[in-house]
Amino acid sequence: SAVISQKPSRDICQRGTSLTIQCQVDSQVTMMFWYRQQPGQSLTLIATANQGSEATYESGFVIDKFPISRPNLTFSTLTVSNMSPEDSSIYLCSVEWPPGSYEQYFGPGTRLTVT
Amino acid sequence: GEDVEQSLFLSVREGDSSVINCTYTDSSSTYLYWYKQEPGAGLQLLTYIFSNMDMKQDQRLTVLLNKKDKHLSLRIADTQTGDSAIYFCAEDMDTGRRALTFGSGTRLQVQP
Repeated sequence: SAVISQKPSRDICQRGTSLTIQCQVDSQVTMMFWYRQQPGQSLTLIATANQGSEATYESGFVIDKFPISRPNLTFSTLTVSNMSPEDSSIYLCSVEWPPGSYEQYFGPGTRLTVT
Repeated sequence: GEDVEQSLFLSVREGDSSVINCTYTDSSSTYLYWYKQEPGAGLQLLTYIFSNMDMKQDQRLTVLLNKKDKHLSLRIADTQTGDSAIYFCAEDMDTGRRALTFGSGTRLQVQP
């Protein structure tokens, strides 16, 4: 499987601030995704971030709140803007690897606590 | 819309078989997945099955798919304490997008 890393692994932030989460993959991937896992909950897709196109957001998530960058085939960032305590979650990136395989692998996650 | 449901909790004794069940609603799903999440850890892809298959076996894991009833199960043979974790089933929302809809997760507790 592809090796996926995320930075930071965890952070505690004050409300009203923003945090940018990085996702790095050791292989070139076309499809990359960002998910959120709220405390004790399942995973919810935030957006799909394919290189060379604008991110596609799911219902309930907007670009102003969760801007995403995908500058190349191995890297993406997700920013959580103007944070509130409700944004406290684990944020995970995932990739399809190998391309076209339908196998989807997840990064270790970023645990965000907003106070 | 898509909806994936799982029972919340399962307790088994070490050495027994575990069966974790999942129902889904999107009949157009092409792939269905099982992930494992241990405490404080990320998601580990255990196995997945293509929708035109009925069964897939991989060492101690057996996946059964009943497409007519939209029912998916994961059987773990000879369950060990290291299998204690939360197990998520997931379906692809749309084949072209590869995005996944997850169930609520089943917490498996293995008693020694």
